[in-house]
Amino acid sequence: DIQMTQSPSSLSASVGDRVTITCRASQGIRNDLAWYQQKPGKAPKRLIYAASSLQSGVPSRFSGSGSGAEFSLTISSLQPEDFATYYCLQYSTTPLTFGGGTKVEIK
Amino acid sequence: QLQLQESGPGLVKPSETLSLTCTVSGGSTNSRNYYWGWIRQPPGKGLEWLANIYYSGATYYNPSLKSRLTVSMDTSKNQFSLKLSSVAAADTALYFCARITASVASGIDYWGQGALVTVSS
Repeated sequence: DIQMTQSPSSLSASVGDRVTITCRASQGIRNDLAWYQQKPGKAPKRLIYAASSLQSGVPSRFSGSGSGAEFSLTISSLQPEDFATYYCLQYSTTPLTFGGGTKVEIK
Repeated sequence: QLQLQESGPGLVKPSETLSLTCTVSGGSTNSRNYYWGWIRQPPGKGLEWLANIYYSGATYYNPSLKSRLTVSMDTSKNQFSLKLSSVAAADTALYFCARITASVASGIDYWGQGALVTVSS
C-alpha cells in the first residue's frame, strides 16, 4: 500500500494568511493526487486533481503543486470559509489512500 | 447534476452485517468512464477507502477489510451496494458512496452526503 504522510496535522492561521499543506507519498505516484476540503458533517469537496489542476468553481486562491512523491496545497490568502479539514488522496493505485488530514483553525 | 444518495440501517448489532445502498441520479452507473466506490470516516477521524466496483462488475477491495467486504452493482436500478460482515464497534462510521474517475483518472469527483452507521447492541 502507498502511505500518504500529510503535515501539519493542524495549524492556526489568520484571515489573509498564506497557508501550505504538504503530502508525501511512500513511493512515486506521478501526479495522481487530489486535495479535498471537508467541513464537519459534510462530504469532502474536491479542490485540486492531477496534483495541480483546479476543480471548476473552486477559488483561484487554492493551488496545488508537486509530482512524484512530494505535493503541496497552498491557500494564498485564507478566507473565513476556508477553515476546515483538508485531505490529500492518491489514486495512482489501489488501495486508494488518504493523508491523515490537516485541520485549519482560526488563530 | 450527478447526485449520490446512501441508504440503509443506521444501527447494526455487533457480529451482524452492515448493508448500504447508493442510488445514483443524474448519471449512469453503466459507464466505462467511472468506478463507483465506498469510503468511510469514523467519528472524529480520517477517511478510509473501502472498495470500488466497475460497470463490468470488477471489484477492488481494501486489503485490510477484504475478507469482510462485498460490493455489488445493479445497473438497471442505477445502484451499487456495500456489505460489511461481522461488524464491531470500530466499524461505526460515516459511510460515503462516491464516483471515481477511470478513463481519465482524477480521483473522487462526486460524493454522497454520507450515512452514519452505528454498531451497538
